[in-house]
Parts: sequence; C-alpha cells; structure tokens
Amino acid sequence: QKEVEQDPGPLSVPEGAIVSLNCTYSNSAFQYFMWYRQYSRKGPELLMYTYSSGNKEDGRFTAQVDKSSKYISLFIRDSQPSDSATYLCAMSEGAEGFKTIFGAGTRLFVKA
Amino acid sequence: DAGITQSPRHKVTETGTPVTLRCHQTENHRYMYWYRQDPGHGLRLIHYSYGVKDTDKGEVSDGYSVSRSKTEDFLLTLESATSSQTSVYFCATQTSGGQTDTQYFGPGTRLTVL
Repeated sequence: QKEVEQDPGPLSVPEGAIVSLNCTYSNSAFQYFMWYRQYSRKGPELLMYTYSSGNKEDGRFTAQVDKSSKYISLFIRDSQPSDSATYLCAMSEGAEGFKTIFGAGTRLFVKA
Repeated sequence: DAGITQSPRHKVTETGTPVTLRCHQTENHRYMYWYRQDPGHGLRLIHYSYGVKDTDKGEVSDGYSVSRSKTEDFLLTLESATSSQTSVYFCATQTSGGQTDTQYFGPGTRLTVL
C-alpha cells in the first residue's frame, strides 16, 4: 500500500463547478500537507500549504485536513478552464523538505 | 519558475550509456533536489543537496549520482542508463529546506532510454 493515495482521474467538470480533489494517507505522523498544481509539460507549483489539521482558504481554493480520517481535500470554487491541470497532494512528517511524499496526481479538465 | 533551467529538455539515449542532466538556478537557493515523475508514482526523490559539495540520497537513488560544485548547478548522472530510468526528471530548489519554505520546480527533462 502506498503511503499517499490519490485518484488519478481524469475528472471533467463544467466551468463554474465546485471541484473536490482528495488524498488519503496511511502515516499518522504526517503533519505538513501541500497541494501542487502542474500544467501539462511544466513543473509543479505550490498552491496551498497547511500545517496539522484545519482549513485554509486562498481565493477560490480551500484546503482541508482531517487527521482523524487521514484525509485531505482541495476545493476549487467557480472553476475555470485555466484550472485544467494535474493536482498533486504532498505531505511530510517533519519540516525537512527532503521528507516530502507526493501523491500521483489527479488530472482535472474544466470545460468552457 | 524562480530562475531554474534544466538541460537538456529532451534526450533519447541507449541502454548502457552514461547520461548527465543539469539543473541551473539563479536564486542562490541553498537546497536543490532531483525528482523523477512516472505515471502512477508521483514525484519521487532521487538525491538532494543542502550546500556545495553536500549531498544525500533520496528514496530512489540506485543507479544515480549527483554533484554540486557551485551553488547554482546541480548535476544528475545516470551511470549506465537502463530502460527503467525512462522518466521525466524535475529539479527543484528551496531557500532553507523547511516545509514552510516553497520548493520551486524547473520545467523538467524528458529522458527516454531505448
């Protein structure tokens, strides 16, 4: 079993929809949780970062962490065609960047 | 892209040949990372560096070596390329190496080993 599981999709939604992207994990020691966005043929870029449990909001994006269920989510409100990308979750036990474990990514298509 | 370039961007090589990939940064970041990205596996850490001449292994380091003789350059060498090393390779940099500090990724190198 992988430490971090992420549905590969693809997920296809109409423009304006609310998108929910999710990851589950098995290591209860994970404390740092990140979401990256990766456009086709590009490197990933950090979208959201959360420490421990709770919610974090940034514009149209909301990240949620439920440590009791070992489950994290990224919500995108009012989705746009420009949100079409692969979304990677990432997490880590410790503060060191080299300990980050990445999910395999979910491909999202937002149709105009 | 935080001033990160990777070269070459695409390479096709044959099994058994050595290959060197280069990552160059202009941000003076202390930490540099090499990842590979394969379908179904996400990003996996190969090696990382925490300073000039200071490197350490990651999760999938077998068959790879690295060198960092200058702050701005981090080289990844496949000593004898195998078909299992066909992948997309990403370099990343980070100022201090902590999770509160963003990792910036380069554009990637697509390597095919025939």
